Amino acid sequence: GAGVSQSPSNKVTEKGKDVELRCDPISGHTALYWYRQSLGQGLEFLIYFQGNSAPDKSGLPSDRFSAERTGGSVSTLTIQRTQQEDSAVYLCASSPQFSGGIEQYFGPGTRLTVT
Amino acid sequence: AQSVTQLDSQVPVFEEAPVELRCNYSSSVSVYLFWYVQYPNQGLQLLLKYLSGSTLVESINGFEAEFNKSQTSFHLRKPSVHISDTAEYFCAVSDRGGKLIFGQGTELSVKP
Repeated sequence: GAGVSQSPSNKVTEKGKDVELRCDPISGHTALYWYRQSLGQGLEFLIYFQGNSAPDKSGLPSDRFSAERTGGSVSTLTIQRTQQEDSAVYLCASSPQFSGGIEQYFGPGTRLTVT
Repeated sequence: AQSVTQLDSQVPVFEEAPVELRCNYSSSVSVYLFWYVQYPNQGLQLLLKYLSGSTLVESINGFEAEFNKSQTSFHLRKPSVHISDTAEYFCAVSDRGGKLIFGQGTELSVKP
């Protein structure tokens, strides 16, 4: 079956612009996670969805970052007024309901470059 | 708060030699432990996990890791590495709520 997909695979944007990153989880997976991988910070948790609600947003680095999930499926991570330090690979993972997050399947990531 | 420390950022090793990638964690609650692998230009893949039970866990490609509660460690080992094992390896911990806390990663470079 299809894995987690993310789009775009690469995004170059100018400082100050807004960007939207999309994640399509594996069909039927109720949990969805966003992480960020950057040279200086390694792999960091951003936000977690169970269904359409986000019980843990503790990793969002600033109020410029937001995310939503609709229909218990697709999720969008939005970064407003992008800064150069936002440059990173943004990873999405999904997990079946029964696993309590143990089985996380990662997408290929979106590489964001802010110029 | 939980944290993960991978003690080596880079590990160069010759093919067919043994390797150990070290991981220590800090947590005040029971945790699950994971090793993920990221091959060049590919996404993260789960290599193995410790949830409970036997402290020694194995992957299908010859890696193993041992959970040591007293030393709060979860080191990854392989008795004989191949060129194809060249990748970045991440140790991670979860507090059972699902989110993963990762270490900084260890770059394993296998040379012929």
